[in-house]
Amino acid sequence: EIVLTQSPGTLSLSPGERATLSCRASQSVSSNWLAWYQQEPGQAPKLLIYDASSRVPGIPDRFSGSGSGTDFTLTIARLEAEDFAVYYCQQYGTSPQTFGQGTKVEIK
Amino acid sequence: EVQLLESGGGLAHPGGSLRLSCVTSGFIPRSYAMAWVRQAPGRGLEWVSSVGGSGSDTIYADSVKGRFTISRDNSQSTLYLEMNSLRGEDTAVYFCARYYGSGRFYGYWGQGSLVIVSS
Repeated sequence: EIVLTQSPGTLSLSPGERATLSCRASQSVSSNWLAWYQQEPGQAPKLLIYDASSRVPGIPDRFSGSGSGTDFTLTIARLEAEDFAVYYCQQYGTSPQTFGQGTKVEIK
Repeated sequence: EVQLLESGGGLAHPGGSLRLSCVTSGFIPRSYAMAWVRQAPGRGLEWVSSVGGSGSDTIYADSVKGRFTISRDNSQSTLYLEMNSLRGEDTAVYFCARYYGSGRFYGYWGQGSLVIVSS
């Protein structure tokens, strides 16, 4: 199975700063079929990005996804208070689909 | 509005069984594949099982294959997960989730149902 490694484990930033989250795959993700989710404590995950770079309608444009092959990035251009959460990547190009272990974005 | 509502979680002994249900609304069930995704306490997300819109196509993670059975009753807009031979490592919050269109990623999630396996 494809192992997704997210880095860093924790990102300590201040509101207004730029956040760059990495997701690296153990082998190439077919068709760049990679999604990003945001999860707040006690809540279900929320889909932000799919197909590596397509933003879900209603998701603010400060969230963007990029990358291909084995290296993918989620960028939050200017952190707002509600963005401090845990973020997961998921590949769905090869069965079984797999998730990364998560990156926590915390307030510095 | 799409809504997913799980029920059926609780405490089970090792080797025991539980059945989770997920009642859906706001969409035509047969038009969308669905899945169960779990999250152990303090851990990340783990895909468990998926089922196609008609219910005939099912797939399982190796960790639950042969012990869990996913099914759906489209006439009742309900997704099920029958869990047998439960182990401590099955302790988790179980989310039902609906695919976003035809892609195998999840645009809609339930609130989760906690399953604890302990003696």
